[in-house]
Amino acid sequence: DTGVSQDPRHKITKRGQNVTFRCDPISEHNRLYWYRQTLGQGPEFLTYFQNEAQLEKSRLLSDRFSAERPKGSFSTLEIQRTEQGDSAMYLCASSGGVGETQYFGPGTRLLVL
Amino acid sequence: GDSVTQMEGPVTLSEEAFLTINCTYTATGYPSLFWYVQYPGEGLQLLLKATKADDKGSNKGFEATYRKETTSFHLEKGSVQVSDSAVYFCALSVGSGYSTLTFGKGTMLLVSP
Repeated sequence: DTGVSQDPRHKITKRGQNVTFRCDPISEHNRLYWYRQTLGQGPEFLTYFQNEAQLEKSRLLSDRFSAERPKGSFSTLEIQRTEQGDSAMYLCASSGGVGETQYFGPGTRLLVL
Repeated sequence: GDSVTQMEGPVTLSEEAFLTINCTYTATGYPSLFWYVQYPGEGLQLLLKATKADDKGSNKGFEATYRKETTSFHLEKGSVQVSDSAVYFCALSVGSGYSTLTFGKGTMLLVSP
């Protein structure tokens, strides 16, 4: 397995548009996390899945954000009616097995104009 | 709540110099501690970790010791290389099973030849 992958790597959109990002975790990992990283800051937790169940959501995840993991494999993060403040790097991580170390993907960089 | 404080960067060093990046934490429970590294244009990579007091994590010449009495997890390397130039993040997680990561703001390291 080549690790966690994310698609697209970059996304430029206009304010008010909807965007969707995809994350493919390491295949044997049952836990999946989404984080957001703004310029000059560390990543901040958004939401967590165990298999297909979304078990925790941060207060950062407003009603415009929705995440799914329909079959317990890949996950999608959708942002509706994007705002300029949504511009950030969106990171996905997965973990599983002994130690529960989280392994991160390369991220999707979103720019809202 | 849980938090991580790192020294501000950038840290600018010449090749073969000694590196220390300070990290202190506040946690409601008994955390595991991590250092992640982010190279330009790439995602976060786990550098090292420690799960209990007095443990020393080490990898690629980097070391950090979990100091419960000073709530610290400082990153050190005896001789840095140009290829070590990156942003370094200190992070913690609390709890067993799944647990989200709380990150510091990151410290940029620039190593010149």
